[in-house]
Amino acid sequence: GQQVMQIPQYQHVQEGEDFTTYCNSSTTLSNIQWYKQRPGGHPVFLIQLVKSGEVKKQKRLTFQFGEAKKNSSLHITATQTTDVGTYFCAVPDLYNFNKFYFGSGTKLNVKP
Amino acid sequence: ETGVTQTPRHLVMGMTNKKSLKCEQHLGHNAMYWYKQSAKKPLELMFVYSLEERVENNSVPSRFSPECPNSSHLFLHLHTLQPEDSALYLCASSQDGQGQFNEKLFFGSGTQLSVL
Repeated sequence: GQQVMQIPQYQHVQEGEDFTTYCNSSTTLSNIQWYKQRPGGHPVFLIQLVKSGEVKKQKRLTFQFGEAKKNSSLHITATQTTDVGTYFCAVPDLYNFNKFYFGSGTKLNVKP
Repeated sequence: ETGVTQTPRHLVMGMTNKKSLKCEQHLGHNAMYWYKQSAKKPLELMFVYSLEERVENNSVPSRFSPECPNSSHLFLHLHTLQPEDSALYLCASSQDGQGQFNEKLFFGSGTQLSVL
């Protein structure tokens, strides 16, 4: 199936510092989704990016889709302890839109 | 969110036991999924049902048997599992619009399974 590489695996930051996680695919994507999973919780949808070069913002979160639609990033400005969790990107299968493949996730820890 | 409900939340079973995981969605969606999440691997897609028909079995061992009696309910029947099957099993649903882009997934809280 479709594979997507996500880095870094872990990130420890001091509260107030910025954070970025990256997803890379070897194939062109039709779209990409981002999810957040709090410790002990389940993944929750954050956003979907569709257009080449698209940038979307949600308060302190900025999502980007690469021009070639092969990579994406999630940037958090001035992290807070509430940002703690694992952030996943998810990409669709090339032939079956019902199938999503998830990146390995970036686990963010924020020290107060 | 309580749109997708999974039971039980925790399950401990022996390798010779037979058990079932249950998932129910109250969102009016027509696609349902089983994902496996273990410490060492990312979220692994196991099964996909769309309009109650299984559209994908991602090479899952036969000791896992899904059942989708209607668009709101999904089961995962377990038998003769192995210790390496211990993981968090997540159910999800989405609206399959048969369109160009994917609809977002709504996950349940998961069943934490331990196989002894």
